[in-house]
Amino acid sequence: DTAVSQTPKYLVTQMGNDKSIKCEQNLGHDTMYWYKQDSKKFLKIMFSYNNKELIINETVPNRFSPKSPDKAHLNLHINSLELGDSAVYFCASSQVTVGNTIYFGEGSWLTVV
Amino acid sequence: AQSVTQLGSHVSVSEGALVLLRCNYSSSVPPYLFWYVQYPNQGLQLLLKYTSAATLVKGINGFEAEFKKSETSFHLTKPSAHMSDAAEYFCAVSVKSQGNLIFGKGTKLSVKP
Repeated sequence: DTAVSQTPKYLVTQMGNDKSIKCEQNLGHDTMYWYKQDSKKFLKIMFSYNNKELIINETVPNRFSPKSPDKAHLNLHINSLELGDSAVYFCASSQVTVGNTIYFGEGSWLTVV
Repeated sequence: AQSVTQLGSHVSVSEGALVLLRCNYSSSVPPYLFWYVQYPNQGLQLLLKYTSAATLVKGINGFEAEFKKSETSFHLTKPSAHMSDAAEYFCAVSVKSQGNLIFGKGTKLSVKP
């Protein structure tokens, strides 16, 4: 059983389209995250939700909108996709005690053409 | 603000040789430090973490790291490299107030036969 699962794993889409990436965790954690990994492998936090409440919202274009229907799910919706949005998006979860391990999903490879 | 710096974007070793991947941190408070590994086209997997207990931390796959406060370092080592160790390695520090991770830029480890 996958602890943090995200779909789709690969997504190729045209500029201007709207797409969503779904994420689910079965670890019982109270906090979920979206990280972006760029072409140089650099990882950066985008959003974090704790018990469905947004607690981290980094400088991300407002075309990106996270939605957390419950503690186990955190979806990422992207409007009007641009070439620069091409990246790997990782969902992750943890129990938000400082120093607790963050568990990552397998990643979603988004290519905008 | 907390940060990590990984020295060397690419490290190449021969199979059976010592692996040393360097990480230095900056933190105004005692840090929690992590090493993650990313195999090609996969998510991030925790290798080990330091959370203020023993300064020498043992992880999976024969890796270990030593926390040295005087040097603000948390270098990752493995006595004998295996071909299967070829991957991208990330050092990270936990943000105390929020629980998310700030990552270094990663070090790609290549292992030559």
